[in-house]
Amino acid sequence: ETGVTQSPTHLIKTRGQQVTLRCSSQSGHNTVSWYQQALGQGPQFIFQYYREEENGRGNFPPRFSGLQFPNYSSELNVNALELDDSALYLCASSLPGTATDTQYFGPGTRLTVL
Amino acid sequence: DQQVKQNSPSLSVQEGRISILNCDYTNSMFDYFLWYKKYPAEGPTFLISISSIKDKNEDGRFTVFLNKSAKHLSLHIVPSQPGDSAVYFCAASVGDFGNEKLTFGTGTRLTIIP
Repeated sequence: ETGVTQSPTHLIKTRGQQVTLRCSSQSGHNTVSWYQQALGQGPQFIFQYYREEENGRGNFPPRFSGLQFPNYSSELNVNALELDDSALYLCASSLPGTATDTQYFGPGTRLTVL
Repeated sequence: DQQVKQNSPSLSVQEGRISILNCDYTNSMFDYFLWYKKYPAEGPTFLISISSIKDKNEDGRFTVFLNKSAKHLSLHIVPSQPGDSAVYFCAASVGDFGNEKLTFGTGTRLTIIP
């Protein structure tokens, strides 16, 4: 059973650019959630994808968008990057119908916006 | 609006003693609570959870207590070990079906002193 993986590990972008972050879910998990963890804060829910459809969204602007693919891997896209987008981006995969505690987190992608 | 609060950014405890980490919440709709542990360069790892129908859940050295009337929960680790040094996040959700949005606190950095 493979765990949740994310790529890249680190990324540096400049303000106004666009970025794509990737997540491979734990084997068999069809739900992926994305979280943003700013420095000194806890993770904040961005959105969730279930079977390739958005299934809930947190308080993030539309320039944060996502995709989920048939193999349940996922992308987080951020357009028009702002300095405040600098954060650790975490994805978590889960299998609905099981307890919440089986949301498995990846190691995250550290995004720095200059 | 911080719905889950961890008011102690850091805590130092002697090895072998009890570590007590605290968490408060404001949203009365939350009915499932979790503790995650995070090491540097890794994603959060699930530690223990509790449903609102219980007031205590125990797993080895870890015990979580829930006081619904006070909207307060705590994590007890006894005895504390050096490997317990990490950042601990309290999280809450509405429901426990496996894909609920998690609302996290800001974390408490626990340092176990040998």
